[in-house]
Amino acid sequence: QVQLVQSGAEVKKPGASVKVSCKASGYTFTNYAMHWVRQAPGQRLEWMGWINAANGNTKYSQKFQGRVTITRDTSASTAYMELSSLRSEDTAVYYCARYRYVSSSSGGSPFFDYWGQGTLVTVSS
Amino acid sequence: QSVLTQPPSVSAAPGQKVTISCSGSSSNIGNNYVSWYQQLPGTAPKLLIYENNKRPSGIPDRFSGSKSGTSATLGITGLQTGDEADYYCGTWDNSLSAEWVFGGGTKLTVL
Repeated sequence: QVQLVQSGAEVKKPGASVKVSCKASGYTFTNYAMHWVRQAPGQRLEWMGWINAANGNTKYSQKFQGRVTITRDTSASTAYMELSSLRSEDTAVYYCARYRYVSSSSGGSPFFDYWGQGTLVTVSS
Repeated sequence: QSVLTQPPSVSAAPGQKVTISCSGSSSNIGNNYVSWYQQLPGTAPKLLIYENNKRPSGIPDRFSGSKSGTSATLGITGLQTGDEADYYCGTWDNSLSAEWVFGGGTKLTVL
């Protein structure tokens, strides 16, 4: 069965960086892209970016461009999301989500079929 | 402010039906498939509907989806107390730099 297991909660000071991991199992890691989504307390889901697990190509949300880096280690079937220059507004639960793209008669159908359990990152002085 | 607009909350009694709307534009819903996610309190989101109206295995047929033009709708019939959750629509937005967008979320209360 497909599982995405994320690293544990983190507490960071403003200006620091955090790196969250997402270990995949139950499928061939390089066959699916991985996206990262965050959710501040009581707020909506916010897309951060994604990585092509096969070739390592990445694409980031303009909001996080320059502060976020998504990488992967294919030997460990693990994706990583690093966010730098942390501020209090970055306090949130960070999720990894497996991306599916199903071909259909009207083009491709994209969606997130499996999610990690979430990692709480708290930014506080 | 979200690119996709959802009502902040909806409510209905057990056994009743409810619909949740998701309004976008030609750069997102109008030209892309929509998916819906259920987020129970304190848990990660879960895929509910993909390709506008398809249900993954294990999702009961009480849940349905539709799309017309630049809007999508999630329907839930036979409401149960266990359906109390936040519901999000999502799709690609092809404007500017092609980013995934979510709606603002709708909190469903089963009275």
